[in-house]
Amino acid sequence: DAMVIQNPRYQVTQFGKPVTLSCSQTLNHNVMYWYQQKSSQAPKLLFHYYDKDFNNEADTPDNFQSRRPNTSFCFLDIRSPGLGDAAMYLCATSRIAGPAHEQYFGPGTRLTVT
Amino acid sequence: AQSVAQPEDQVNVAEGNPLTVKCTYSVSGNPYLFWYVQYPNRGLQFLLKYITGDNLVKGSYGFEAEFNKSQTSFHLKKPSALVSDSALYFCAVRDVDFNKFYFGSGTKLNVKP
Repeated sequence: DAMVIQNPRYQVTQFGKPVTLSCSQTLNHNVMYWYQQKSSQAPKLLFHYYDKDFNNEADTPDNFQSRRPNTSFCFLDIRSPGLGDAAMYLCATSRIAGPAHEQYFGPGTRLTVT
Repeated sequence: AQSVAQPEDQVNVAEGNPLTVKCTYSVSGNPYLFWYVQYPNRGLQFLLKYITGDNLVKGSYGFEAEFNKSQTSFHLKKPSALVSDSALYFCAVRDVDFNKFYFGSGTKLNVKP
């Protein structure tokens, strides 16, 4: 089945130690998104890619970076995680052909910072 | 700017009773509205969407939503709630120009046996 896959599902890292979260999709969607979600709050958009075009949200900390080496894969790099970065990180995809298309979400990666 | 609001943090309903989860929207242009459900430690799952056409939209798991243009609302409904419907529900609007989705704050639905 076509889907969005996130690895790992649970990630523990130390304060200040770089960490990378990965997302892959078999849907061949043009747009990929990274969200941060804390404590059952609304997902907060960090950035998204429209094909190779990177779009950063104005309030996304510089500590967060992203890479999209090809259509299928997208990575979230946290250069120096702080305690406040502990959250669920959600990857999603969407088509861009018209407004009718919903987002498809991966299962998320729960990041713990010790 | 596009936005949606979910006025209720939590909705409690007894199993077998009808449920409504409220959402209001504010958009410039045509509204493209979505409902998602999230179970604990999972990603969001798409339930249904309104793009155009009939004001009553039917979706997954017996859910439906009513689009009301005059009240700028898009409330999620189900005729008979199940305990397994207990989850976090998010309303969202799509900004087509910027390929972004704006989410409401979420409503926790509790269905009690």
